[in-house]
Amino acid sequence: DTEVTQTPKHLVMGMTNKKSLKCEQHMGHRAMYWYKQKAKKPPELMFVYSYEKLSINESVPSRFSPECPNSSLLNLHLHALQPEDSALYLCASSYDRVTEKLFFGSGTQLSVL
Amino acid sequence: AQSVTQLDSHVSVSEGTPVLLRCNYSSSYSPSLFWYVQHPNKGLQLLLKYTSAATLVKGINGFEAEFKKSETSFHLTKPSAHMSDAAEYFCVVRAGGGNKLTFGTGTQLKVEL
Repeated sequence: DTEVTQTPKHLVMGMTNKKSLKCEQHMGHRAMYWYKQKAKKPPELMFVYSYEKLSINESVPSRFSPECPNSSLLNLHLHALQPEDSALYLCASSYDRVTEKLFFGSGTQLSVL
Repeated sequence: AQSVTQLDSHVSVSEGTPVLLRCNYSSSYSPSLFWYVQHPNKGLQLLLKYTSAATLVKGINGFEAEFKKSETSFHLTKPSAHMSDAAEYFCVVRAGGGNKLTFGTGTQLKVEL
């Protein structure tokens, strides 16, 4: 199994809602990542987890809250988002923070109304 | 700081003709460079990577790239384009430790009959 699975594939939420994005991998990878990709733009790194601990936060607003409850699962909790947060949110994993091959999920397309 | 510049935002080729996607990098030391492909509504997939072992790197689906230090280039090529190659291609540099990847702005490849 070389897949990174993201759910849901699409999400529409209001600015007062609380929602969560989920990412799962069963490759035994110990590094997991959240990227944000606006339309027609390259992905931008948000967070990196290594061995279930947050190792990089790219100055992401606190309305985005990551969580890594175990080595296979990565969540992104969303609260009080703005319309400009609408984007494709991509999860990725790698064997560890040194191994350079990242496996990406197909993303969650988020629309904030 | 390490960065990459993709010289063409759109490239159009006929099926069966060669593909050339251009990328220049900026780095104060020998960089780790990658090409990723993103098909519509899909996550990113690693095509190939350069990590100083060999200057000509072969990847999946018949793609290859050559690292030229004198030209600070890492162009992606394929001898014969296929319709299934139509996608967005990103040149990527690893910026520092922790697998912090910096993406180029992307090149949209169109393959025509």
